This record gives sequence, C-alpha cells and structure tokens, in this order.
Amino acid sequence: AQSVTQPDARVTVSEGASLQLRCKYSYSGTPYLFWYVQYPRQGLQLLLKYYSGDPVVQGVNGFEAEFSKSNSSFHLRKASVHWSDSAVYFCVLSGGYNQGKLIFGQGTKLSIKP
Amino acid sequence: EAAVTQSPRNKVTVTGGNVTLSCRQTNSHNYMYWYRQDTGHGLRLIHYSYGAGNLQIGDVPDGYKATRTTQEDFFLLLELASPSQTSLYFCASSVNQDTQYFGPGTRLLVL
Repeated sequence: AQSVTQPDARVTVSEGASLQLRCKYSYSGTPYLFWYVQYPRQGLQLLLKYYSGDPVVQGVNGFEAEFSKSNSSFHLRKASVHWSDSAVYFCVLSGGYNQGKLIFGQGTKLSIKP
Repeated sequence: EAAVTQSPRNKVTVTGGNVTLSCRQTNSHNYMYWYRQDTGHGLRLIHYSYGAGNLQIGDVPDGYKATRTTQEDFFLLLELASPSQTSLYFCASSVNQDTQYFGPGTRLLVL
C-alpha cells in the first residue's frame, strides 16, 4: 500500500540555523514525490518535486530535497532558515504522471525562534 | 500562476443543513479535486474529476456529493451536514494529475 510518513509533527529551529524535515514513503514502484508548504490561513503551494534523475532537487526559497530509493526517503533541507519559513510542510507521493491520486503525509509544523 | 478560487471562505450551518461549496479554476486544467484537512490527518481526498460531467470517488467520500458542471467549476455538496464534517476544505486543480494548484480553503463549521 502507498503511504507517506512524516515522523515529526512539530519542529522548532533558530533563525539562521539549518533545517531538515524528514519524509519516508512506501511505494512498490518509482514514485513521484513533492513537498508542499502551507502558510498560515493559506492554501498549499508547491516547493519542489522529484520525478527522476539527479536525486537532489532544488526548489523555491533555497529549499532542496534528496531522494533516496534505498532508504525510501525524501527529506527536505534548507541551509539557513528565515522567520518567514514558519509554516506547515507536507510531503506528498504520487504513483506518477496520470498514475493516480496524491497521498499526503500528516504534515510537519515548522516554527522559527528569533 | 494557476488561479483557483473558492467560495464561501467561511460557512456555519446546523446539523442536517444543506451546504454547497464552490470552486473555480481559470487555467483550463482537466483535473479538479476536493480535499478536507483535519488535524493529525493531513489532506484527505473526497472526490475528484477529470472533466465536465465526470466524477471519481476519493478516499473519504461518505456524506459528500460532487458535481463538475464545466471545465472551470467543481462543487461539493453536503446534503445532510453533520458535526463530523466540520473541517477545512480545499479545492485543487491540475493537468493530468501532475502538480496541483490549491485554492485558499473554506472553513466549515457544523453546529
């Protein structure tokens, strides 16, 4: 069965510090993977996506993620966080282009300490 | 940038009431989706559609109907609302199930 697990419901980091948000997926084939961000009182916006090729993908606002087939992971990283990065981050799995619905993780709420 | 709008943004109704949530996208995307978002569950798919007149059942369809009247418009109907349907509802659209573009959400309270 397809599933996405974000093991950390909440993460707090200091402004300027580095960040990693964890995501583990379960899927028998080659997945399409996304990270979406939800700012307070807004809808979800795409940060980045991975389909194939280079396992490290770059996204908006300095975010990147690394795909690992051996670890079934797709962790999100940022070298230096800003207070405006406070939001909820969702890891999302798809079976592929035209291959099925999106499966959402439960989300990780990121808080930035000044 | 894809544009997805939802109305109303907030709605209060009573148990047994009739509610219609509206979604419009202006980018000619073929796929449209309705999700609900609840604490601890992330987003869960209620219904989706790949074109006018088409409807596909999602993962949590009980108590919901949906209708896609045009390429642009997708409606979610709660004909006998219950308190368990109190939630934040999102509409989204996409081309061929690729990147989804989300609306701002509708907050529904069922008393």
